[in-house]
Parts: sequence; C-alpha cells; structure tokens
Amino acid sequence: GQQLNQSPQSMFIQEGEDVSMNCTSSSIFNTWLWYKQDPGEGPVLLIALYKAGELTSNGRLTAQFGITRKDSFLNISASIPSDVGIYFCAGNAGGTSYGKLTFGQGTILTVHP
Amino acid sequence: DTGVSQNPRHKITKRGQNVTFRCDPISEHNRLYWYRQTLGQGPEFLTYFQNEAQLEKSRLLSDRFSAERPKGSFSTLEIQRTEQGDSAMYLCASTTFRHNEQFFGPGTRLTVL
Repeated sequence: GQQLNQSPQSMFIQEGEDVSMNCTSSSIFNTWLWYKQDPGEGPVLLIALYKAGELTSNGRLTAQFGITRKDSFLNISASIPSDVGIYFCAGNAGGTSYGKLTFGQGTILTVHP
Repeated sequence: DTGVSQNPRHKITKRGQNVTFRCDPISEHNRLYWYRQTLGQGPEFLTYFQNEAQLEKSRLLSDRFSAERPKGSFSTLEIQRTEQGDSAMYLCASTTFRHNEQFFGPGTRLTVL
C-alpha cells in the first residue's frame, strides 16, 4: 500500500544531541501526525498538525506542517535515553478518506548515554 | 482507564485456524479503525467504522477477513483460515468525528505457525 517517504531510516546519537527527521509525500495532506512506538506496543500520539506552515511544540519535540502540504518535520532537542523508539509520521488526505492515516516507514532512534 | 484496549495481546495459532480479536475504543469515540503492521513497516489501513457502519475496507482485507462493530462500541476482527502471511501486529485506533487525532491500542500480535 501507499506509504510516506520517511527519513532517515535510523539514527544513532549521543544523549544531549538534537534530532531531526522528515516525511515527504507525492500527495497533499490535510493533517500530519507524529507518533512514537515502543517494541510490542501501539503507536503513541506526539503531535498533531492541521494547517500548512503550522509549527507546534510538545515539550522537547517540535513539528512543522510543510508549506506545500506534502511534507512534515519533527525535531527533538536535547535527547535523553527514554527517547529511544520508532518514530512514525502519518498523514490524512481529508475528503472521502474517512480520516484513515497513511504512515511512513518509521525512523529508529537509538540514544547512547 | 480511558484508553483503547485490545484483546488478546498475543495470539499463536496454526495455519488454517480461525482467530478473532477485540477492540474497545475510547468511550466517546464514534470512529474506529483497524490497521495491520508488519515488522519494519508502518501501520497499514484495513477498515473503518463510523458508529456501527463499516464505511471503507482496504484491498488488503481479503474475503477471509471480516470486521464488525455491532452496537457502535467495541469491534471485532476475524480472520478465517489463517495463513502464515497473516502474521502481524493488528492495531485498533479510535477518534471522534471532528478530529483526525487517532489514539491507538496496544495491538494484538498474531503468529501463524
């Protein structure tokens, strides 16, 4: 099925470093969501974006809805060991899509103490 | 507990057997989604309910799959004559009609031997 192009696929960083990841699509989305998933668990919602150009923060996390509506970015500042996990972007095209989400392939984040 | 719950958390079955999973959404959420996630991939949409009506099904949902939400509350996903390719994490998510922020349950991990 269709998926968003998420990069990088994995990141290995030192505690305290900042992290950036992004997601691109060939289609326009009305909503961008960022989730974090731990092994064996369901995705947990981090940030939701609803307007092109919107910049939203949640603690050390900041996400942006791209102006073209075809991309989104997530930044994590001052990473800590508990940031370890898989981060997914997800988009909703609106209209007749009934709110179903299209997901990226995920970014695996490893944080070394 | 006001989150989405799923049961069972794990299911191991032999090829050819039928399995049924249950999802209890957040109580005031009238929209319910099922997704499937295989290793190393993001979740993929399977089907969507608005109240008790099943409004969309993905082409991923073969005729061996059936989902119900009889009273607009909990939902069940049944897989008949399971195949090894059905092995995956099955995720349920819910939201309200006016929002696209989907909240996921912990998932059911299916292993078909």
